[in-house]
Amino acid sequence: GENVEQHPSTLSVQEGDSAVIKCTYSDSASNYFPWYKQELGKRPQLIIDIRSNVGEKKDQRIAVTLNKTAKHFSLHITETQPEDSAVYFCAASIWGFSGGYNKLIFGAGTRLAVHP
Amino acid sequence: GAVVSQHPSWVICKSGTSVKIECRSLDFQATTMFWYRQFPKQSLMLMATSNEGSKATYEQGVEKDKFLINHASLTLSTLTVTSAHPEDSSFYICSARDVRTAVETQYFGPGTRLLVL
Repeated sequence: GENVEQHPSTLSVQEGDSAVIKCTYSDSASNYFPWYKQELGKRPQLIIDIRSNVGEKKDQRIAVTLNKTAKHFSLHITETQPEDSAVYFCAASIWGFSGGYNKLIFGAGTRLAVHP
Repeated sequence: GAVVSQHPSWVICKSGTSVKIECRSLDFQATTMFWYRQFPKQSLMLMATSNEGSKATYEQGVEKDKFLINHASLTLSTLTVTSAHPEDSSFYICSARDVRTAVETQYFGPGTRLLVL
């Protein structure tokens, strides 16, 4: 079935450094790729997303790149801060044939720790 | 905008009882809501998709008779865990899509932590 692989599972950086998280997806029909940040015990928060007709999107310190040919996309966080510490999930949309809607398949998550 | 609430935020129950969790979209209408389960230090696993006015669509391996879903209005979906057992203890999170937009963005509720004794 469809799946999304995410690497690394843990990432430790010093404050001010950059962090990169990579995901690959299997369904070539996927056309929407959101990234969520989840702090301990809280809900996932959408931080950035990208559609398949765009190769890159940036929002302040956060950027996402998409390579449709290779079926992978990446999250880039620059000038990391301690408050960026959280678990980050990538996801890819797939078509739910039986229901006639798009659903999201999530990666396993990356635990990011930013040390002061 | 795009706020999703869940109730209760946590529940402790005895084995064999049923638990109902509510998911509401507060400032938008949602024809489609999703129910996820998340075990500690794991990812979000889609359990089922709730469509307003029709039967829910369950993912493979999810028992529809155990996890009853009702989506009676454009702002409310409920998940009932029937005859709960300790292995059902988990973090249950719903999400909703805004019908006004064409994108697939899902907004998540705060989650319900279920502990079955």
